[in-house]
Amino acid sequence: GQQLNQSPQSMFIQEGEDVSMNCTSSSIFNTWLWYKQDPGEGPVLLIALYKAGELTSNGRLTAQFGITRKDSFLNISASIPSDVGIYFCAGQPAGGTSYGKLTFGQGTILTVHP
Amino acid sequence: DAGVTQSPTHLIKTRGQQVTLRCSPKSGHDTVSWYQQALGQGPQFIFQYYEEEERQRGNFPDRFSGHQFPNYSSELNVNALLLGDSALYLCASSQTGRVSYEQYFGPGTRLTVT
Repeated sequence: GQQLNQSPQSMFIQEGEDVSMNCTSSSIFNTWLWYKQDPGEGPVLLIALYKAGELTSNGRLTAQFGITRKDSFLNISASIPSDVGIYFCAGQPAGGTSYGKLTFGQGTILTVHP
Repeated sequence: DAGVTQSPTHLIKTRGQQVTLRCSPKSGHDTVSWYQQALGQGPQFIFQYYEEEERQRGNFPDRFSGHQFPNYSSELNVNALLLGDSALYLCASSQTGRVSYEQYFGPGTRLTVT
């Protein structure tokens, strides 16, 4: 089935630093979503992307839909302690048979040192 | 505005038993999807319900079944539980149409099978 490769698997950064993570697929996606999950909670939707090349921001977060439609990137600027958590990319594969069926990456664990 | 709610929060069952998990979607949403999240992994799509019917299904055995009610709430049933069914079960709701790719998750039900 579809697989998303998310990297890096984990990051340890200092408060105030910028963070970049990405997600790649071997096949084309129609939609890319980025979620954050805190321990014991469900994932929270951060950003949704619908068009190749689209760049969307949500506060200090910026995400981009790759031109090839096979990748997406998430950047966090000026990180703060509450950014700690697991970040997941998720995609909606192209093709009508996959409608509504999100595929998730393995997650990036972010640790921010004060 | 009430978000997605799930019950129960935690559940412990014995191998071979059956379990029912419940989900109420976010206000205004008519589509419910269920995901299984093993420890350290991203969520895996189980199935999606719309208009009280299963619209999409992931690679899960028939032991996993569901139901959607006229008020859009949903149940996930798992029969003949296996130790490997231990996971966080997440419900996500969305609204039919372009934004249906934007799925909003509940806090999950932690199922432990002993």
